Amino acid sequence: DVKVTQSSRYLVKRTGEKVFLECVQDMDHENMFWYRQDPGLGLRLIYFSYDVKMKEKGDIPEGYSVSREKKERFSLILESASTNQTSMYLCASSPRQGGYTFGSGTRLTVV
Amino acid sequence: GENVEQHPSTLSVQEGDSAVIKCTYSDSASNYFPWYKQELGKRPQLIIDIRSNVGEKKDQRIAVTLNKTAKHFSLHITETQPEDSAVYFCAASFPGAGSYQLTFGKGTKLSVIP
Repeated sequence: DVKVTQSSRYLVKRTGEKVFLECVQDMDHENMFWYRQDPGLGLRLIYFSYDVKMKEKGDIPEGYSVSREKKERFSLILESASTNQTSMYLCASSPRQGGYTFGSGTRLTVV
Repeated sequence: GENVEQHPSTLSVQEGDSAVIKCTYSDSASNYFPWYKQELGKRPQLIIDIRSNVGEKKDQRIAVTLNKTAKHFSLHITETQPEDSAVYFCAASFPGAGSYQLTFGKGTKLSVIP
């Protein structure tokens, strides 16, 4: 019973491409988050949203943007992919005050 | 912003022994402290959490303790089993802009040796 779904498990893109990572949750959660996970660096927050059409920068927003047009969907956009954006990207959602449920992750490789 | 330090980065224990992972946080306003377990190739999953009005919480072989004065919290796993082998992340959160934002530690890779 997958509750947070990320559209792709593995993705390979070329430098300079515009990349869209999609995340959908079916738990009616208010909050949604995008993290990237790198070895030795843990989970770092890119962007988050606490309501439709609302977005807030996390710790490492440079080179990324997001879109939340509907409550259940939160998209991460890499405007011009670069090799240093090769990483595992994790989407998560949570109720207003509560723990996260993570998606399975998208492993993005930029060549 | 919040800063979370987690130690150790790797931990090896014999099956049946206890494992302890420690985290410190910087923002005294933080009031929610979850722990996540991530098995190889899988998503992080919440295993236990504690709020700042509680000093200790147990769930079978897992316990979390919180010292608000010292701003540190710990995960204790007793009678470890091979299936406990995973990466464990602590996190701290404070309410901001109407939501909880979690700041994670860098993770501890726990290996339980049969």
